[in-house]
This record gives sequence, structure tokens and C-alpha cells, in this order.
Amino acid sequence: EAQVTQNPRYLITVTGKKLTVTCSQNMNHEYMSWYRQDPGLGLRQIYYSMNVEVTDKGDVPEGYKVSRKEKRNFPLILESPSPNQTSLYFCASSLSGLNQPQHFGDGTRLSIL
Amino acid sequence: SQKIEQNSEALNIQEGKTATLTCNYTNYSPAYLQWYRQDPGRGPVFLLLIRENEKEKRKERLKVTFDTTLKQSLFHITASQPADSATYLCALGKYGNNRLAFGKGNQVVVIP
Repeated sequence: EAQVTQNPRYLITVTGKKLTVTCSQNMNHEYMSWYRQDPGLGLRQIYYSMNVEVTDKGDVPEGYKVSRKEKRNFPLILESPSPNQTSLYFCASSLSGLNQPQHFGDGTRLSIL
Repeated sequence: SQKIEQNSEALNIQEGKTATLTCNYTNYSPAYLQWYRQDPGRGPVFLLLIRENEKEKRKERLKVTFDTTLKQSLFHITASQPADSATYLCALGKYGNNRLAFGKGNQVVVIP
């Protein structure tokens, strides 16, 4: 089944404790991206990747890192999480860019205390 | 800066009627526009994409229009069913710009 898989689905952690949210897609997609969704603000792009080893900042990249060492994986790293990063996070992928359907994972709900 | 507006009030509609949602934008000239459906606790699911040179797109009971003069897209669900109850998001993009700008979504509640 074609899908985007995120882990973990839920995480409660404390300020400053490094964490990684994994994202994997099995559709051989070139384009992958991360979003956060907050009440009243909608979906905002954090980082995106056009292909392996090619990443770039989205609209709200501060406090986040990403890497794209393999085509299928695009982990999101919070080196020193803070409470303002408490949010619902989505990973998405598409064949080769944004002018195509985006396939989203089911989300990761992060709570930073 | 660009602004994308979707109605923040939920649309309550009787089963069998046509639901119509609006996506308005300002300070932006998108080359394409996408509509997604999002259920509680789930990721958005792609529904339709329409490009600036297309006036209308259809998929089963769904229809999207794109009016670049009015800077507006309309999303229609005909013969609505309770299973259509969800939040619907519009997203705008430009070629060469690797960002999709999402609206905040509009909830639809179909009453049996």
C-alpha cells in the first residue's frame, strides 16, 4: 500500500531534550516536506527536499533540522525543543514537486513541556 | 503579504444538497490550486488540482472552479452525504516556488 509513515504518532517530552520524528515513503517520490499545523494558523511548511541531499527552508524553519540521505526517508530533528514547538506535525511527499498531489502522513502530535 | 481566506464558520448542510466552499486569495498569483480533505486526527488527503488556465475540474461528485480575475476558487460537493463531513483545505502554489500556501480550512457538516 502506498503510504507515508511517521513515527512516533504521539510524544510528550521536556524542553531541551533532542528528538527526531521519522518520515518514510514507499512511493519512490522525489519531493518531501514537513509541515506543522496549529489552531488558527493552518498548515505551515517547515522544510522541504527536492531530492536526496537537497533540502531547503520553508516558512518556519527556526529550531528544526532535516536530512535526506536516502530517497525514502526525511527525518525532522528538534535539537533543543521548546514549548512553542508543541504542535501537530505532518510529513508529505509527491512525485517531483508541489504542482502534484501531496501525500500526507497521519501526523505526529508533539507536546514539549 | 499573501493572504488565503476560507470561511472559519462550519457549513451545516442537509444530506443530498450541494455544499459550496470558497477560497479567496489576495497579493498572490497562483499557477495552480489544490483542494484537500482532512478528517480529525488524520493527515490531509488530496482531492483535486486545478491550473490557472483551467476554469473547472470535476471528479465524481466534486467540482472545483478557479477564477483568476476574482482571485477565488469554489469547491462544490454535490449530493452531499454524511461521510463528506470533514474539513476542506485549499492550497495555492506557483511554478518554481517550492512552497504551498494553505488556507486554514473550512469544516463541512452534512446532516442526515
